[in-house]
Amino acid sequence: GAVVSQHPSWVICKSGTSVKIECRSLDFQATTMFWYRQFPKQSLMLMATSNEGSKATYEQGVEKDKFLINHASLTLSTLTVTSAHPEDSSFYICSASLDRGLGDTQYFGPGTRLTVL
Amino acid sequence: SQQGEEDPQALSIQEGENATMNCSYKTSINNLQWYRQNSGRGLVHLILIRSNEREKHSGRLRVTLDTSKKSSSLLITASRAADTASYFCATDAWYAGNNRKLIWGLGTSLAVNP
Repeated sequence: GAVVSQHPSWVICKSGTSVKIECRSLDFQATTMFWYRQFPKQSLMLMATSNEGSKATYEQGVEKDKFLINHASLTLSTLTVTSAHPEDSSFYICSASLDRGLGDTQYFGPGTRLTVL
Repeated sequence: SQQGEEDPQALSIQEGENATMNCSYKTSINNLQWYRQNSGRGLVHLILIRSNEREKHSGRLRVTLDTSKKSSSLLITASRAADTASYFCATDAWYAGNNRKLIWGLGTSLAVNP
């Protein structure tokens, strides 16, 4: 149980285009979802916390107009990287939690590798 | 920085040896979690230890937590080549604005040589 999927698993796009990444909880309802990014050989950095039906809470330094997050249902959150540039190339990972706090465990998706040319 | 720190950054051992990784953090925590990540892949949750626990075991894994020193260690016994991966600690804590989140350590890259 508690499976989280992400789509696509990898994407290559041209500079200036927008890319949407989906995060789905497959067998549970996720009140809270989290988006992270990870640069090569580095740790995960939390970008934003998303609660279903409300606006996402972004971490300091993360541009909310650049990284649009929508958590429209209890099983789906999307991250849209708008007007992507090469410096946005990264590994994006989502996770889902069963309650509004973290609960005990976050369930992680497999990640999406974004390469912007 | 709120980020935890791990040492060593890289560790290379022979199969059968034990591997110990350490994690230090800065704030009071609800729990501390260890994850494994194979190169370029997703995260695998290994073990969670709550702030009122001192030691926890899971198979070949042993985790300790010292809240007075704000540190934790992960011991992998009788290592295997398949244990080769990056290992991260993550602390679950409350932050300003009633904001609860996971903060990640920098990770330890473990190489187990056959």
